[in-house]
Formats: sequence, C-alpha cells, structure tokens
Amino acid sequence: AQKVTQVQTEISVVEKEDVTLDCVYETRDTTYYLFWYKQPPSGELVFLIRRNSFDEQNEISGRYSWNFQKSTSSFNFTITASQVVDSAVYFCALGVGGSEKLVFGKGMKLTVNP
Amino acid sequence: DAGITQSPRHKVTETGTPVTLRCHQTENHRYMYWYRQDPGHGLRLIHYSYGVKDTDKGEVSDGYSVSRSKTEDFLLTLESATSSQTSVYFCAISESGWDSKYEQYFGPGTRLTVT
Repeated sequence: AQKVTQVQTEISVVEKEDVTLDCVYETRDTTYYLFWYKQPPSGELVFLIRRNSFDEQNEISGRYSWNFQKSTSSFNFTITASQVVDSAVYFCALGVGGSEKLVFGKGMKLTVNP
Repeated sequence: DAGITQSPRHKVTETGTPVTLRCHQTENHRYMYWYRQDPGHGLRLIHYSYGVKDTDKGEVSDGYSVSRSKTEDFLLTLESATSSQTSVYFCAISESGWDSKYEQYFGPGTRLTVT
C-alpha cells in the first residue's frame, strides 16, 4: 500500500524566513512519482512539481527548491525568503507506476506573517 | 490553466435528497477524478474514470456513484445525501497513459453542505 506522511500540520513564520516542508512516502513499487501541490486561501489546487523515482536530482525554481532522497523516502520542499503570498496549504502526493491514482498527504498549512 | 469547470460551486441540501455534481473539461484528457477534501484528511479519492463508461472506486466510494457518458463530463451522484458528506469536492483530470507523468489538474471545487 502507498502512504504519504506530512508530519507538520501547521507552520507559522515571519516573512523572509526560510521554511522546509517535510514529506515522507511509503511504497514498494520501484517506479513512482512524487508531487507537490499548493492550495492558497482562495481554494484552488495548484500543481507545483513532479519528480519520478529514477531522478534524484534536486530542483530549484526561483525561491522554491525540492530535495528528493530515496534513501530516506523523503521529498522535502523548501521556500527561501518566504513571502506572504506563500501562505497556503501544501500537499505532497504519490503516484505509482501502473496506477493512475494519487495518494495525498494530509496537507501542511503555512502561514507567512509580514 | 487546464479547462476544468465544476457545477454547482456551492450547494446546500437536506439529508436524504439526491445530489449530482458535474465536472466538465475542455482538455480531452482521458482520466477524470473526484476527490473530497475534509479537515485533517487531506484529499481522498472517491471515484475515477479512465475512459467513457469506464470507472473505478477510490478510497471513499461508499454512498457515491459516478457516470461518464462523454469524454468531457464526469458526474458524481450522492444518491441520498448524509451530513457526513458535507465536504469540498474537487474534480481533477489527467492526460495519463503508460508513460504518463500522472500530473493531475484540479477544478475550482464544489462546497456541499448537507443539513
């Protein structure tokens, strides 16, 4: 069975702080995909990134970076110099090869205060 | 942005009444999904479709049925709504396929309240 755990449920930081959102996954499949989604207060779900199990390269996109480590089954997300607009609920999700379904973590609410 | 709309966006209904939520896409994607979002549970898959008239159950399918008669439309029906089905319902689509990347794009959501 697949499982995604987001240990932190809520984090509050002050603007310009760096913040890391943790995601730990469980699967026995060797082919899988990991995702991060953002849900701002307006409610829509926005796709941020996808990583496949064969690519452990970390990725940086502007202030966002992702650290994928198969050895610890983790796919962590870091926001550098956080901004108020980063305030949202962030979801980590797992999809396995041969299945079209995603399993989501319970989400982590980030509040960035001015 | 992916062309996904959901209707209605808000609905209040009484316990025991049937309710149908509609998801409409303009992307011609093969896969469509219904999720519900509840505090403390994240998103949970209700049903999904992998083609016209092809559907399968998800994690929390009890009390829900779905239908897909056209590529662009995926309907979620609560045959007899209960208060435990008060939730925000999201539709998602995915191009998918054997070498797919499994990216799912979400609709704006429907807030359903069952009184």
